[in-house]
Amino acid sequence: SQKIEQNSEALNIQEGKTATLTCNYTNYSPAYLQWYRQDPGRGPVFLLLIRENEKEKRKERLKVTFDTTLKQSLFHITASQPADSATYLCAAQGGATNKLIFGTGTLLAVQP
Amino acid sequence: DGGITQSPKYLFRKEGQNVTLSCEQNLNHDAMYWYRQDPGQGLRLIYYSQIVNDFQKGDIAEGYSVSREKKESFPLTVTSAQKNPTAFYLCASSMGQHGNTIYFGEGSWLTVV
Repeated sequence: SQKIEQNSEALNIQEGKTATLTCNYTNYSPAYLQWYRQDPGRGPVFLLLIRENEKEKRKERLKVTFDTTLKQSLFHITASQPADSATYLCAAQGGATNKLIFGTGTLLAVQP
Repeated sequence: DGGITQSPKYLFRKEGQNVTLSCEQNLNHDAMYWYRQDPGQGLRLIYYSQIVNDFQKGDIAEGYSVSREKKESFPLTVTSAQKNPTAFYLCASSMGQHGNTIYFGEGSWLTVV
């Protein structure tokens, strides 16, 4: 079955460093990958969308890559800040059903 | 401000009772969705609607029902047939279904007492 996998373990980094989160997909070829931020008890907030024919997308301190060979997307936050601490969700869309499938999310904790 | 409004934020359900979660959007979006989120699991799609008066089952539709009588509104009813309804419910909308940003509401917590 179509699956999106993100690291279930929390990622702890020091302020100022670059955080890199991983999203792997199996058993299908999504046309789009999206990344969302979710704070505790709140709804997810859209961050970036990347299409299968795009290798990289940037927005301020955020960068997303899409590697269709590795079946992977990487999400980078440069010069990370404690305010970046949240759960980050990867979502993929495409295939026969065109459904948006979410990963379980990775908790990022940026230490001051 | 444009956005998605879910209510109530917290809801308690007794055994055997149906409850309805409200979702209203003023973004003029065609597509609307209901997701369920449980600890340690990704968002799972319950129902979605691409247009008024039409909706489709998602991956976990059993025990739930929806209606889409107006473009702005997509209420979700959690029926007594849903055996494990305690969860965080998220309503969302998008312009269309293909490669469009999904905008989420703030969520509703449902607890069975």
